[in-house]
Amino acid sequence: KAGVTQTPRYLIKTRGQQVTLSCSPISGHRSVSWYQQTPGQGLQFLFEYFSETQRNKGNFPGRFSGRQFSNSRSEMNVSTLELGDSALYLCASSLHGINEKLFFGSGTQLSVL
Amino acid sequence: GENVEQHPSTLSVQEGDSAVIKCTYSDSASNYFPWYKQELGKRPQLIIDIRSNVGEKKDQRIAVTLNKTAKHFSLHITETQPEDSAVYFCAASDSGGGADGLTFGKGTHLIIQP
Repeated sequence: KAGVTQTPRYLIKTRGQQVTLSCSPISGHRSVSWYQQTPGQGLQFLFEYFSETQRNKGNFPGRFSGRQFSNSRSEMNVSTLELGDSALYLCASSLHGINEKLFFGSGTQLSVL
Repeated sequence: GENVEQHPSTLSVQEGDSAVIKCTYSDSASNYFPWYKQELGKRPQLIIDIRSNVGEKKDQRIAVTLNKTAKHFSLHITETQPEDSAVYFCAASDSGGGADGLTFGKGTHLIIQP
């Protein structure tokens, strides 16, 4: 079984731009969740999608949004990028939700200049 | 919202000794407590988890204990080996779909000294 795939692996953007990150979950997994990882704040939950519906949302501004498609693939969008958005963005998939074993992707390293 | 505190931030132990990492949480509604291991440059991987209806769970050299009254849970690694060197994250969530989702501690960098 293929693992969780995230694209692109690296991104460099400038302040004010927007960015879209993609996540393909393990086949059969319906839950996709997103996390921001930084050296100072560790791992922070962004949101979870299940069957195309956002089920949970962390404490991030509205510039961070996401969606999930009927094939469970998910995208995350960040608008009006700020320097502080530089981070590793990880997605994870699971069968039913965040309260069971999560399988993480390798992440997208976003640098905002 | 939920707040998870994790200690220590760095832990250095001799190979073969035991390591203990402790976490406290604030929301009494939390009932799922996973531990993830992240090696340098790699993705986090679940090593063990516990639900609030259980006080202790063991898997070979790894064990987790949960004290619901005190709202803390701990990871115990016995007979540490070089491959145990990594950053360990604890987390807590409310399976009722609480708005906080999955809240992580800030991580413990475990160093195994040869």
